[in-house]
Amino acid sequence: DVVMTQSPLSLPVTLGQPASISCRSSQSLVYSDGNTYLNWFQQRPGQSPRRLIYKVSNRESGVPDRFSGSGSGTDFTLKISRVEAEDVGDYYCMQGTHWPLTFGGGTKVEIK
Amino acid sequence: EVQLVESGGGLVQPGGSLRLSCAASGFTFTNSWMNWVRQAPGKGLERVANIKQDGSEKSYVDSVEGRFTISRDNAKNSLYLQMNSLRAEDTAVYYCAKGRGLDVWGKGTTVIVSS
Repeated sequence: DVVMTQSPLSLPVTLGQPASISCRSSQSLVYSDGNTYLNWFQQRPGQSPRRLIYKVSNRESGVPDRFSGSGSGTDFTLKISRVEAEDVGDYYCMQGTHWPLTFGGGTKVEIK
Repeated sequence: EVQLVESGGGLVQPGGSLRLSCAASGFTFTNSWMNWVRQAPGKGLERVANIKQDGSEKSYVDSVEGRFTISRDNAKNSLYLQMNSLRAEDTAVYYCAKGRGLDVWGKGTTVIVSS
């Protein structure tokens, strides 16, 4: 199975400051159709996960533009340009290129 | 509105069984690969099982292979997870999620395996 490694485990951030989460895969996530099936999920406290970003950099409808995804191959990043209080929670990357799909271990974003 | 509603969770003794259900609405269920994902207390997300649109392909995480069975009823827009021989380590919130990209999730149903 493809191993997804996220860092950091915990990310204390000052309100209004940027945040960045790294996700690395044990093999390339480029699929034979040319797409890279790397998604990012947000899980606020007490809520179910919600997909924020799909195929590396595409924001879901309704996701604020302060969230952005980037990367290629095996190295990916989720950035929050200016953290707001509602961004507190756990963030997970997930690859859907190789079967079975696998998740990163998660990054907890909290306010300093 | 696309919606997934799980049910069927509860407290069960080790070795017992439960059947989870997921009612889907707001999208064409027969067009969607479906998934069960679980989250143990204080832990991350783990794919449990997936099923193809017509039910012809199913896949399980190794730890539940032979104990859990995923199925679907496209006429009822419903997904199921039959869980047998439950263990303490199966304790988790179980989520139903839509599609190969898990673009929509339900609120989850809690399974507690304890004597």
